[in-house]
Amino acid sequence: DTEVTQTPKHLVMGMTNKKSLKCEQHMGHRAMYWYKQKAKKPPELMFVYSYEKLSINESVPSRFSPECPNSSLLNLHLHALQPEDSALYLCASSQDPVGTRRQPQHFGDGTRLSIL
Amino acid sequence: ILNVEQSPQSLHVQEGDSTNFTCSFPSSNFYALHWYRWETAKSPEALFVMTLNGDEKKKGRISATLNTKEGYSYLYIKGSQPEDSATYLCAHYNTNAGKSTFGDGTTLTVKP
Repeated sequence: DTEVTQTPKHLVMGMTNKKSLKCEQHMGHRAMYWYKQKAKKPPELMFVYSYEKLSINESVPSRFSPECPNSSLLNLHLHALQPEDSALYLCASSQDPVGTRRQPQHFGDGTRLSIL
Repeated sequence: ILNVEQSPQSLHVQEGDSTNFTCSFPSSNFYALHWYRWETAKSPEALFVMTLNGDEKKKGRISATLNTKEGYSYLYIKGSQPEDSATYLCAHYNTNAGKSTFGDGTTLTVKP
């Protein structure tokens, strides 16, 4: 069982809907990540939070809005998504802030998102 | 090498075979290399974090080596088992970027 919990596991939404993906970890990790993964491709980094502050935004469209309310939670708010946004969204955490880069990332099982 | 490349893309072996595959990465400004195993319908699982040239890490039947001067890492699996079937990803960090770059992965299928 993964120590990073993502909800929901599956989400189907229309292009005008607003929804949120949630990620939670209780390992005391101070860096948290959102990735997007399309079939047969590696995970593609979207956002990194370090000590609850956004440290990396990989030029992600504004229809994706991350939020880190506290050190254990990471949300991804979705609005007006496009069909090409259908993908697996993975959350991950690591012990130290991204500056050390020598700690492995712990991944959640992901949310499978489908945009109609 | 400008990007992170993994080879082969896929590999089919018989149970009991030993196998290995490669992650190639830019050799300049190396900081760390991570290996992950990603089984279908599960989350990626960290295998190794490698930081020093010449590093060798081992976890059960799986081991990895690192050559930062020439920019490659090998992952070895001794006596492959069906439960080793997964996609193996490497992720490279350099000193100039705060984020990792993943390779496309090697998908291993072990036939009983």
